Parts: sequence; C-alpha cells; structure tokens
Amino acid sequence: GAGVSQSPSNKVTEKGKDVELRCDPISGHTALYWYRQSLGQGLEFLIYFQGNSAPDKSGLPSDRFSAERTGGSVSTLTIQRTQQEDSAVYLCASSSRQGAGEQYFGPGTRLTVT
Amino acid sequence: GENVEQHPSTLSVQEGDSAVIKCTYSDSASNYFPWYKQELGKRPQLIIDIRSNVGEKKDQRIAVTLNKTAKHFSLHITETQPEDSAVYFCAASTGFQKLVFGTGTRLLVSP
Repeated sequence: GAGVSQSPSNKVTEKGKDVELRCDPISGHTALYWYRQSLGQGLEFLIYFQGNSAPDKSGLPSDRFSAERTGGSVSTLTIQRTQQEDSAVYLCASSSRQGAGEQYFGPGTRLTVT
Repeated sequence: GENVEQHPSTLSVQEGDSAVIKCTYSDSASNYFPWYKQELGKRPQLIIDIRSNVGEKKDQRIAVTLNKTAKHFSLHITETQPEDSAVYFCAASTGFQKLVFGTGTRLLVSP
C-alpha cells in the first residue's frame, strides 16, 4: 500500500519567511511523528500526535515551530520567521497501534534557509 | 530523559566479513529497540527491531541482541555485501512513543 508521503520534497526560503511542511501518514495509522535531521547528523524528535490525545511537543526547539494534525490524518509543520539554523531535512513518520509501534518514515522535506 | 549512544561512528569491512554496531541506552523503561538503515539521500528504512521481552532476533543475515541488565543492544550483519553500505541508526523508546536515536554508524563494505 501507499507509504508516508511528504510535500514539498525541497523548499528554499529566505530568512525570516514562514514555511509549511505537509505529511500524509499511512492510511489507518493513528500516530504521527515529526523529526529533524541536520546534514550528516542523527534524527532529532520534534513532535508526536497520537489519536485525539494532546500532542507531545517536548522536542520543538522554539516557539517558532508548531504543528497541527487535522482530522487525525494529515499533519502540517509550520516554522515561522525561519533562521539559517532551521536548514535540515524534516522527516515525518507514522505508526499504528498494532505490533510494537513500528515507525515508517516519509521521504522528507529538505528545507534550505538562505 | 532517554539517551542513546552508538559506536563506532564509522566501520569499514571487506565484503563477506561480519559487522557489529553497538548501542547503549539510559532509561530502563525503554522496551522497544529498532534499527534503521539510511542510504544517501533516502529515508530511514526499518530493518529489524526487538522488544525487551526477547534477547535475540534474527532475519536472514541480520540479527539484533539485547542485554536489558547492561542496557545495551547490538546489530550484527553477517556475510556483508556492498549494498549493505549505508548509515545505520539504533533507537529506543517505550513503545508507541517518540524514538530517541543514536548518532549513526557509517558502514562501508568494500568489494
């Protein structure tokens, strides 16, 4: 079946502009996660949605970052007033309540702030 | 919170040799330990995982072992092939929660 999809695949923006990144999870997956991967680095947790529960926002690096998940499916990560240090690949993952909570990743959005 | 350390950062082997990557974790509540393979420019791919009620799991040339007492787990790849070359990440979680990742191991398999 269809995997996790993300759009856009690449985004170049000027410092100070706002950006929106979109994630479509695997159909039926109730959990959705956002991670960030800087060049040559590991994956850093940002935010996690599970069903109708309050999201775990503990990984968001500043109040310029926010995310929402509408209707329990699609999620949007918004970065306001982008800075150069926001440049990274933003990865989305989803998981179901079955099994051990295996997370499957989307292809990511490469964000470049100039 | 959870902290995951991963070693080595780079690993070079000859084709056919075995490769071992080791991770330690700090939170005894963690009970789910996946391994991801990431090729250049691609998304992380789940290759194997283990839960804390199991000590070892094997899938063809790949195996993972877990020592809960020592809080460490390892990835073993046997009969390595050039296509195994990639960055491998270990991770830990309490299941259905955020993953805390290690810093990655770049594996290079030379023909």
